[in-house]
Amino acid sequence: GQSLEQPSEVTAVEGAIVQINCTYQTSGFYGLSWYQQHDGGAPTFLSYNALDGLEETGRFSSFLSRSDSYGYLLLQELQMKDSASYFCAVRGLSGGSYIPTFGRGTSLIVHP
Amino acid sequence: NAGVTQTPKFQVLKTGQSMTLQCAQDMNHNSMYWYRQDPGMGLRLIYYSASEGTTDKGEVPNGYNVSRLNKREFSLRLESAAPSQTSVYFCASSEAGFQGGNYNEQFFGPGTRLTVL
Repeated sequence: GQSLEQPSEVTAVEGAIVQINCTYQTSGFYGLSWYQQHDGGAPTFLSYNALDGLEETGRFSSFLSRSDSYGYLLLQELQMKDSASYFCAVRGLSGGSYIPTFGRGTSLIVHP
Repeated sequence: NAGVTQTPKFQVLKTGQSMTLQCAQDMNHNSMYWYRQDPGMGLRLIYYSASEGTTDKGEVPNGYNVSRLNKREFSLRLESAAPSQTSVYFCASSEAGFQGGNYNEQFFGPGTRLTVL
């Protein structure tokens, strides 16, 4: 099966940079993705890494190291609206299909 | 373009009652999914449908059934609700399924908050 570990909570101040780590165990790894979810809302897609390295999308970047089974989400120039839960997810082989497994989520609290 | 819609938004059931959660997408996506989310937990896959006419079990299928009615609609049925099924249920869709080399971003509906007493 698949399992993911990410910190339960991270706090930072507005304008700062924060990194949310994710380590995973999976069979047949097929990519690491990140989703954002505000309280009471639906998850929304942020980024996806299939290969090692850094992917940048505006203020958000995501990194993957397949040899270390590790990735992170980097949020720069933090804004109050970035306060939300962030989930990493892997696609792993299960029953012939690559189904997604989500981590338990990291609650990011941004202080003024 | 409404994206993914779910009904109802809220529901309270008594133990043993049955109900169907409805989901529809208007993005012409092939694949659809049902997740549940419990406090402090991530999203757990209940069932998915890689394409119209197919359904498969996910991580936590016990106590649930699904129907892929057509390309747009994917329903989740609780035959005999139990308090352990109190949760927030999310439906999602993606252009294609989980196989293949390209990642397919999942689009989520607003969720159904279900309480079973």
